[in-house]
Amino acid sequence: NAGVTQTPKFRVLKTGQSMTLLCAQDMNHEYMYWYRQDPGMGLRLIHYSVGEGTTAKGEVPDGYNVSRLKKQNFLLGLESAAPSQTSVYFCASSDPQGTNEKLFFGSGTQLSVL
Amino acid sequence: SQQGEEDPQALSIQEGENATMNCSYKTSINNLQWYRQNSGRGLVHLILIRSNEREKHSGRLRVTLDTSKKSSSLLITASRAADTASYFCATPTDGGATNKLIFGTGTLLAVQP
Repeated sequence: NAGVTQTPKFRVLKTGQSMTLLCAQDMNHEYMYWYRQDPGMGLRLIHYSVGEGTTAKGEVPDGYNVSRLKKQNFLLGLESAAPSQTSVYFCASSDPQGTNEKLFFGSGTQLSVL
Repeated sequence: SQQGEEDPQALSIQEGENATMNCSYKTSINNLQWYRQNSGRGLVHLILIRSNEREKHSGRLRVTLDTSKKSSSLLITASRAADTASYFCATPTDGGATNKLIFGTGTLLAVQP
């Protein structure tokens, strides 16, 4: 049981380039999230989705787009990368059923924008 | 903006000692969660405490919640070198409707063998 899988694990971009981060979960969770983690700032929510075909903005959505075409996948796109987007990106999922509010995280994508 | 703020930012102890980390938050919550992050890895859920609970135990972990002071503490007893990690508290942002969490800045715990 893989849980939450993120690809790629590392990436280096030049300013202005675009890329897509892929998140896949095999737990049939409805909710999925993208966070970024910067030193000394904890995790900040970029975008999230409460179901297939739905997305919503989080705390720091500017410069990112997302799509949830399939329930198991949540894609994070950078259309024109900027050095300020150098960060570690984490995808997470959760199950709204019952009383299980905890998040399951992937292992992260380390992105450097030069 | 951060909902939770952990204290201390860093903590170094010897194996076998207890480690206590504190978390303060700003708004009313229905639960508070603690997560662990090993270096270079994703976060792993440790324990959840609800607003009507004052204390909860899980193995060597003890969590307390004081809603009047908007604070929580995580105690790790008889620490081991494998407990070396960053620890984050997290609280729901929208009453738990979407399970969105706001995370604190974390406490870096180093357990010396």
